Amino acid sequence: DGGITQSPKYLFRKEGQNVTLSCEQNLNHDAMYWYRQDPGQGLRLIYYSQIVNDFQKGDIAEGYSVSREKKESFPLTVTSAQKNPTAFYLCASSRSPGLAGVRNTQYFGPGTRLTVL
Amino acid sequence: LAKTTQPISMDSYEGQEVNITCSHNNIATNDYITWYQQFPSQGPRFIIQGYKTKVTNEVASLFIPADRKSSTLSLPRVSLSDTAVYYCLVGDSSGNTPLVFGKGTRLSVIA
Repeated sequence: DGGITQSPKYLFRKEGQNVTLSCEQNLNHDAMYWYRQDPGQGLRLIYYSQIVNDFQKGDIAEGYSVSREKKESFPLTVTSAQKNPTAFYLCASSRSPGLAGVRNTQYFGPGTRLTVL
Repeated sequence: LAKTTQPISMDSYEGQEVNITCSHNNIATNDYITWYQQFPSQGPRFIIQGYKTKVTNEVASLFIPADRKSSTLSLPRVSLSDTAVYYCLVGDSSGNTPLVFGKGTRLSVIA
């Protein structure tokens, strides 16, 4: 929504396989984020990136990897090391952090629901 | 980051005004208060943001007392389509530290 696209909407994976979730934004935002949401729970931060070629671990980074080679793209790879990967994954972006007067409002994509078979 | 506390769930009838209060006792001077709305299987959507006193937009109002240790999201005349989870977040405007989403308040609007 609002210029952020995630694909695919539904994804099925066999246990032991790696899978990459796509996130693209055309909002010219510098910062991008990945969250995981389990049923009935809030959002938990996996990774975030405030600038191209740089990213930081969030609260639950184990078993996940990211890259930020382009400003508009922030793909998330769910590796076989993630023991319980079935969840709803949300990508978000926000304007440049640290700019005076800029408030850290995040805009979210529609999400990808990953199911491990 | 300032921790927030909000009710787990609330019920309301259609047409009523709903007030959801969020407690943030450790809010810092530079922190803003932001509310998001999330429908099932969708990403959260920004509703409103404020620093102090009162903010109003076409969707909701946000009331913040002088001590800023709490805030109240007010939804006027709710409809069934307002059934969602509402998150209260507190963070500074620099954006250098990501916002933290708690479990939110699950609002159920009943006909």
